[in-house]
Amino acid sequence: AQTVTQSQPEMSVQEAETVTLSCTYDTSENNYYLFWYKQPPSRQMILVIRQEAYKQQNATENRFSVNFQKAAKSFSLKISDSQLGDTAMYFCAFISAGGTSYGKLTFGQGTILTVHP
Amino acid sequence: GAGVSQSPSNKVTEKGKDVELRCDPISGHTALYWYRQSLGQGLEFLIYFQGNSAPDKSGLPSDRFSAERTGGSVSTLTIQRTQQEDSAVYLCASSLDGESSSYEQYFGPGTRLTVT
Repeated sequence: AQTVTQSQPEMSVQEAETVTLSCTYDTSENNYYLFWYKQPPSRQMILVIRQEAYKQQNATENRFSVNFQKAAKSFSLKISDSQLGDTAMYFCAFISAGGTSYGKLTFGQGTILTVHP
Repeated sequence: GAGVSQSPSNKVTEKGKDVELRCDPISGHTALYWYRQSLGQGLEFLIYFQGNSAPDKSGLPSDRFSAERTGGSVSTLTIQRTQQEDSAVYLCASSLDGESSSYEQYFGPGTRLTVT
């Protein structure tokens, strides 16, 4: 079974600064995908960024980028130039590309990020 | 286009009553998922539908929980004889194809269920 761990229950950052959210995972599989989802107070889960395990290049989406270390099973999210609208709960998630957990997202516990003006 | 929609947004029910939660996936998405989000358990997978295949029900916590998907589109999650521990936000998600290379799931706004 896969596990995803987010060791930072809460983080805060000043507007325009950079913050990094940590995520580690455990799996015996070689083919999988990792995601960061954002959940603002409205409850709507929004996909922030996606990383394929077979790609060495770190994914980037505008102000959001990841540091994917496959050997260390680490997948951190960096938010640059933080904005007030980035305030939300952030979830790291894992999905297998095969095997018995096919189709199911496994989530970490979440990190509450607060951006201060 | 329209995203995943869920109804009702909030539901308060008495212990022992049955409830039905509805999910309308994104048009054209063949895969549909239900998750539960609660304070104690975090986000948990419940059930997964892919096209006409038999659903993966491995995450359903008890036989009081069931789900169906009619016509390959709308899905209903039913909880019978609700208990207080069923109180949670129930999230529905859909994806283009559960077997595709993107595996991106798009979530609805959820239904907050409160069992009194």
